[in-house]
Amino acid sequence: AQSVSQHNHHVILSEAASLELGCNYSYGGTVNLFWYVQYPGQHLQLLLKYFSGDPLVKGIKGFEAEFIKSKFSFNLRKPSVQWSDTAEYFCAVRSRYSSASKIIFGSGTRLSIRP
Amino acid sequence: NAGVTQTPKFQVLKTGQSMTLQCAQDMNHNSMYWYRQDPGMGLRLIYYSASEGTTDKGEVPNGYNVSRLNKREFSLRLESAAPSQTSVYFCASRPPGAGADTQYFGPGTRLTVL
Repeated sequence: AQSVSQHNHHVILSEAASLELGCNYSYGGTVNLFWYVQYPGQHLQLLLKYFSGDPLVKGIKGFEAEFIKSKFSFNLRKPSVQWSDTAEYFCAVRSRYSSASKIIFGSGTRLSIRP
Repeated sequence: NAGVTQTPKFQVLKTGQSMTLQCAQDMNHNSMYWYRQDPGMGLRLIYYSASEGTTDKGEVPNGYNVSRLNKREFSLRLESAAPSQTSVYFCASRPPGAGADTQYFGPGTRLTVL
């Protein structure tokens, strides 16, 4: 069965620090990969997604993620975080040829930024 | 467009009570979903609907029923609420077409079952 692992449950950083949130998935076939963000009191929003092509994906608000197929990873990065990046971040994966219902979400990583 | 809307935003129930969570989207999407979000467990799919009149079970369907009477609306019903159903419930919809994998989420319904 597919699964998504986010090993960092809570990350605390100072402003301007660099960010990397880990995401690993277990599925041997072709996948679509997503990162969603949930700001406090708000609903989930799509940050970025990978379907095919360049494994380095640029998203909104300066975020990027790199798909490394050999490592089954899709880590989220940002060179310099801001206080406004405080949120919960969810990685998600879908097998390319399964129905859209089979999007599996990770358990989330809470990011706290110290001003 | 309002996007995906959910009502109510908050609800407190006693064990055994029933209620229906409403979800509507005005984006003409075919697929709609109900998730629950619990601390440390991420989002888990309860039910989904690929089109009007069709519904299928997700990961955690027990204790829930859904109804997709038209394209816009997808409701989630708890017939006899239990404390284990205390959660935040998110509805989502997805546009049609190949590669259209982006899901649009509603603002959520925070449900507490006492």
